[in-house]
Amino acid sequence: QKEVEQNSGPLSVPEGAIASLNCTYSDRGSQSFFWYRQYSGKSPELIMFIYSNGDKEDGRFTAQLNKASQYVSLLIRDSQPSDSATYLCAVIWKRSGATNKLIFGTGTLLAVQP
Amino acid sequence: DTAVSQTPKYLVTQMGNDKSIKCEQNLGHDTMYWYKQDSKKFLKIMFSYNNKELIINETVPNRFSPKSPDKAHLNLHINSLELGDSAVYFCASSPHNTGELFFGEGSRLTVL
Repeated sequence: QKEVEQNSGPLSVPEGAIASLNCTYSDRGSQSFFWYRQYSGKSPELIMFIYSNGDKEDGRFTAQLNKASQYVSLLIRDSQPSDSATYLCAVIWKRSGATNKLIFGTGTLLAVQP
Repeated sequence: DTAVSQTPKYLVTQMGNDKSIKCEQNLGHDTMYWYKQDSKKFLKIMFSYNNKELIINETVPNRFSPKSPDKAHLNLHINSLELGDSAVYFCASSPHNTGELFFGEGSRLTVL
């Protein structure tokens, strides 16, 4: 089982719709979760982080975390063509006696159709 | 001012050559990283330094040697380049090894 799993997509949604991006992780001890956005040919940029169960909203973005199910998601409301990018889920990976490290999923390609 | 800058942005070289990539951050962060992104866009950590000390050293061939002269700089030297080393290499920094990474623009390495 991969440490962080995402559906590679592409996920195609019409402009104005809600895009739902999902991620599962294997380490039950993980405490910190991140969503990065990567436009084609560009570097990843952090858009959301979440540490507690439940929802966290920032503008059109909502991150959702369910630690019992080891599941984290990102909702994008009123999707715009400019949201078209690869969305990378990342999880802090903890190991006893070792330094924490940020592990990325393979990313989901989102395509918002005008 | 660019927060995390890498040079060069593009390298094209022959198998067997040695190359270096340099990275500098002006964010005052104490942790810096090298990540490799392959052709399938998978982003994998290679190394991390905290205040010039190596804290993460993944299973990477010893042809790859990072070096951090100070906490604002992290360089990557690669010896005896192989075809499989072709990828985009991203430098990143963060405060105190949190997951809030700031990435450089990437250095695209092509080995022929």
